[in-house]
Amino acid sequence: QKEVEQNSGPLSVPEGAIASLNCTYSDRGSQSFFWYRQYSGKSPELIMSIYSNGDKEDGRFTAQLNKASQYVSLLIRDSQPSDSATYLCAVRVWGNFGNEKLTFGTGTRLTIIP
Amino acid sequence: DTGVSQDPRHKITKRGQNVTFRCDPISEHNRLYWYRQTLGQGPEFLTYFQNEAQLEKSRLLSDRFSAERPKGSFSTLEIQRTEQGDSAMYLCASSPKGLAEETQYFGPGTRLLVL
Repeated sequence: QKEVEQNSGPLSVPEGAIASLNCTYSDRGSQSFFWYRQYSGKSPELIMSIYSNGDKEDGRFTAQLNKASQYVSLLIRDSQPSDSATYLCAVRVWGNFGNEKLTFGTGTRLTIIP
Repeated sequence: DTGVSQDPRHKITKRGQNVTFRCDPISEHNRLYWYRQTLGQGPEFLTYFQNEAQLEKSRLLSDRFSAERPKGSFSTLEIQRTEQGDSAMYLCASSPKGLAEETQYFGPGTRLLVL
């Protein structure tokens, strides 16, 4: 079982609709969760971070975390063509040295259809 | 530009050659990370530093790979005797402190192609 799993997609969503991206993780010690956006040929860019159960909203983006189910999701409202990218879920476990590495999923490729 | 910078942005080399990449973190960030990303995959952790100390190395980091951060500022990643399987994007990230809430900020990456 992979440590962080995402559907690879592609996920196609009409412009203006809600895009829903999902991620599951295997390590119950995971404490910090991140969503990065990556355009083709570019480096990952942080979209959202979430640390406690529930929802966290930032503009058109909402991250949801359920530690009991080991599940984290990202909702994008009013999807725009510029949202077309690969979305990476990343998880961090707090370790002996403090700020530990991020473990990434393989990413979900999202395409917004005009 | 106060973000993470990496140099070079692209590198083409022949199998068996040595290559060295540089990363300059965001000023005063004491944590620096190296990741590798191949096509269709998420970034994979290679190693990280707190100041000049290398605290963790992935099993992915064979003995052909070495990383340094001599003065706790910039870092270099060297690959000796490159192989075609080393072709990937090498990403550097930095973060300010070892707190769970701190995130990692990525540089633009160095894309390596080994012929």
